[in-house]
Amino acid sequence: AQKITQTQPGMFVQEKEAVTLDCTYDTSDQSYGLFWYKQPSSGEMIFLIYQGSYDEQNATEGRYSLNFQKARKSANLVISASQLGDSAMYFCAMRELSNSGYALNFGKGTSLLVTP
Amino acid sequence: DAGVTQSPTHLIKTRGQHVTLRCSPISGHKSVSWYQQVLGQGPQFIFQYYEKEERGRGNFPDRFSARQFPNYSSELNVNALLLGDSALYLCASSFGQGAYEQYFGPGTRLTVT
Repeated sequence: AQKITQTQPGMFVQEKEAVTLDCTYDTSDQSYGLFWYKQPSSGEMIFLIYQGSYDEQNATEGRYSLNFQKARKSANLVISASQLGDSAMYFCAMRELSNSGYALNFGKGTSLLVTP
Repeated sequence: DAGVTQSPTHLIKTRGQHVTLRCSPISGHKSVSWYQQVLGQGPQFIFQYYEKEERGRGNFPDRFSARQFPNYSSELNVNALLLGDSALYLCASSFGQGAYEQYFGPGTRLTVT
C-alpha cells in the first residue's frame, strides 16, 4: 500500500510568491518521522526539513516550513518567497522503524517550476 | 568536509552482467543506506548497513547484495542484470542507525542494454 501520497505531479509558481506542496501519509505507528527532500536535475537528494511525529510545533528551516496536521495525516511543504533556483523535484518521505530497519519511504514527487 | 561520494557516476552494462557500485560516507558516519530510483519515481529502499552489519532490507530480489567495510564505505552488487535495473542508485549516510538526517550522494546512473 502506498505510504506517501503526493497528488501534484507538477506545480508552477511565480518568483517571490509562496507555494505549498502537498503530502499525505499512511501509518499505524505512533513514532515516525516526515521529511522533505529536493532533487535538482543533477540527481542529488538535498535534505530540506524534518518533522517528528511527537513534535508539537511545525518545523521551519529558513524559507521552508512544514505544515504538519497529524489528525489528517498530512505534512505539506511551504516554500516562501520562491526563487528560480527552487525549480526541482520535491519528495516527501516517511521514516518508520520496521523489519526493514530505518528505511525512508518516498512519494512519487512533485516537479516545481519557478517562473520569472 | 567531503560529502557522500559515489562511483562511478555513470555506467552502461549488458543484460546478464554483474555490476558493483561504491559509496563512501561522510567522515564519522557509520550507517549507509542504498536506494534505487527508477525514472519518474521516488527512491526505493534497498539496504541499510550499520557498523558493518545489514540492519534492513527492502523488497528486492536476491540478485541485489551489499556489504560495508571497516572504514564504513559500502558496495552494492547486482547480479544477472535486467533491463528493469536501469536506474539512479543513491547512497545515503547517517551518523547512527536511527539518525534522522540522511545525507545523499550524487548517485550512480546505471543503464542496462
